[in-house]
Amino acid sequence: SAVISQKPSRDICQRGTSLTIQCQVDSQVTMMFWYRQQPGQSLTLIATANQGSEATYESGFVIDKFPISRPNLTFSTLTVSNMSPEDSSIYLCSVEQYTEAFFGQGTRLTVV
Amino acid sequence: GENVEQHPSTLSVQEGDSAVIKCTYSDSASNYFPWYKQELGKRPQLIIDIRSNVGEKKDQRIAVTLNKTAKHFSLHITETQPEDSAVYFCAASRGSGTYKYIFGTGTRLKVLA
Repeated sequence: SAVISQKPSRDICQRGTSLTIQCQVDSQVTMMFWYRQQPGQSLTLIATANQGSEATYESGFVIDKFPISRPNLTFSTLTVSNMSPEDSSIYLCSVEQYTEAFFGQGTRLTVV
Repeated sequence: GENVEQHPSTLSVQEGDSAVIKCTYSDSASNYFPWYKQELGKRPQLIIDIRSNVGEKKDQRIAVTLNKTAKHFSLHITETQPEDSAVYFCAASRGSGTYKYIFGTGTRLKVLA
């Protein structure tokens, strides 16, 4: 099974600032996925990150707000830009391996 | 795009009873349907999955059924135990590797001792 390390695990940030979340996988994967999970809610896909090309964003999410990097097959970052309290959420990265999706432990972001 | 509906949003059962959670999907091209369990403060973890060429799959106390015609699938947990208490998410996908998962809204299951 894929092992995913995500950091930071939590952070409290001032509004207007940006936070970059890192996701490291212990094996090479084609796609990496970034999700947002608001308190008590489901997982909403933000974007799909493919190495060597621009990320594909879901409806309601834009690159200027959530820029993503995918420099190689084991690593990706998600930046939450110009944060507001509405961005307070858990952000999770995910990869699929052998038909199973694995998740990082999540980043609990609080914007004050 | 794909939409996955999940019911009920909360479910309380007595220990030893069965629990059933139902999901419907809209994309007829979806062919992979996993179920995830998320305990408080932890990451989602796969508990069982089913593909569109199978109608039912069972793993000990957990089973999943799929009705492709009606576009719905269900999770069945028998002989529930307190450690089954968690949030359960269904998901639908067009396949593995490069296709995204669309998750249901989640069911908070509480097993009462």
